[in-house]
Amino acid sequence: DAGVIQSPRHEVTEMGQEVTLRCKPISGHNSLFWYRQTMMRGLELLIYFNNNVPIDDSGMPEDRFSAKMPNASFSTLKIQPSEPRDSAVYFCASSFAPSFYSNQPQHFGDGTRLSIL
Amino acid sequence: QKEVEQNSGPLSVPEGAIASLNCTYSDRGSQSFFWYRQYSGKSPELIMSIYSNGDKEDGRFTAQLNKASQYVSLLIRDSQPSDSATYLCAVPGGATNKLIFGTGTLLAVQP
Repeated sequence: DAGVIQSPRHEVTEMGQEVTLRCKPISGHNSLFWYRQTMMRGLELLIYFNNNVPIDDSGMPEDRFSAKMPNASFSTLKIQPSEPRDSAVYFCASSFAPSFYSNQPQHFGDGTRLSIL
Repeated sequence: QKEVEQNSGPLSVPEGAIASLNCTYSDRGSQSFFWYRQYSGKSPELIMSIYSNGDKEDGRFTAQLNKASQYVSLLIRDSQPSDSATYLCAVPGGATNKLIFGTGTLLAVQP
């Protein structure tokens, strides 16, 4: 079975450019999560969706970050404009959750390693 | 107090020994607990979940939960060099029950 698919795997861009990260969750999963991981701050939840609806975006750092989930099989995380401090590994994860409040094991994609110069 | 706390390590154990990884959490209402393993440069991989007090065994791994003490641990028996990784404890918390990860414990198994 295909796992969570993220693209691109690596992204290097200059400060000020728009960055779009993409995620395809595991088929049948109805919860999707975007995380950011850095050495300093560890793994941080940015936003999560349940049945395509954003449930908690309290981890989104600022207005430069936005996330969408237009359908059950696709999500994007966009940074505009990007800054060097946004450099990190961004993970997408998915799970099957009967409700947004229930917690089921999450399955992670391989991540996008983002470098902003 | 951080919501989920782990000793960052590194925890160094000889091959064949038992590795003991610990995690404390602050939300008394948490009902589910997860251990993830993350190899360097890779994504987190779920290895254990536990929902009730006591022990849960899966092969060489045992998860232990004590809700009264707000403590969850992971034991790895007969540790192998391939177990060398960062182990992340994850506990739901907050108003939306989102999963909160600890900073992880780096385990090094010495051959």
